Amino acid sequence: NAGVTQTPKFQVLKTGQSMTLQCAQDMNHEYMSWYRQDPGMGLRLIHYSVGAGITDQGEVPNGYNVSRSTTEDFPLRLLSAAPSQTSVYFCASSYSKDGLAGLVTGELFFGEGSRLTVL
Amino acid sequence: GENVEQHPSTLSVQEGDSAVIKCTYSDSASNYFPWYKQELGKRPQLIIDIRSNVGEKKDQRIAVTLNKTAKHFSLHITETQPEDSAVYFCAASIGSYIPTFGRGTSLIVHP
Repeated sequence: NAGVTQTPKFQVLKTGQSMTLQCAQDMNHEYMSWYRQDPGMGLRLIHYSVGAGITDQGEVPNGYNVSRSTTEDFPLRLLSAAPSQTSVYFCASSYSKDGLAGLVTGELFFGEGSRLTVL
Repeated sequence: GENVEQHPSTLSVQEGDSAVIKCTYSDSASNYFPWYKQELGKRPQLIIDIRSNVGEKKDQRIAVTLNKTAKHFSLHITETQPEDSAVYFCAASIGSYIPTFGRGTSLIVHP
């Protein structure tokens, strides 16, 4: 298994450009998510998905779009890049089950990260 | 929503000392508390987790304790080694897929 694969690892954009960060997992995980990591701010959730065709907003969704057409893929789109979106982005997935509803929450598996700089 | 506070933001210890990182959470319904370690330039990786039906869990030199009444949980690392130097994140989730992370603690172990 490759686990969680993110591309690209590094990207430089100009303000106003758009781009897509790709994320794929081969573990048949139901849950996938995108985080951004900024110094002193920890890991902040951008968007998440609990299954194909289902997405929802996290803590910092503005300026980002996602879709989940398959279980394996969860791309993150920056519509019009801004310098405030300079950050390290992590995709994460989990085979999560919630004990209360018959499922058990589990470990998050992270991709290697994508460092984005917006000039 | 859930709010997780993590302290300290930086912790510097001598090799062989113990290190303790503390987190508090706001929602009493939270029932899963993982800890992730992120080495410089790498991805976060789970090192230990605890569920709300136990008060303590150990794995070799690391342990996590949970006080549900006070809504706080702690990571304990004994006999620290230079390779323990990293950023540690605590998290809490409310029986769902979505953990809320603390802001992280940078642990520096001096040889």
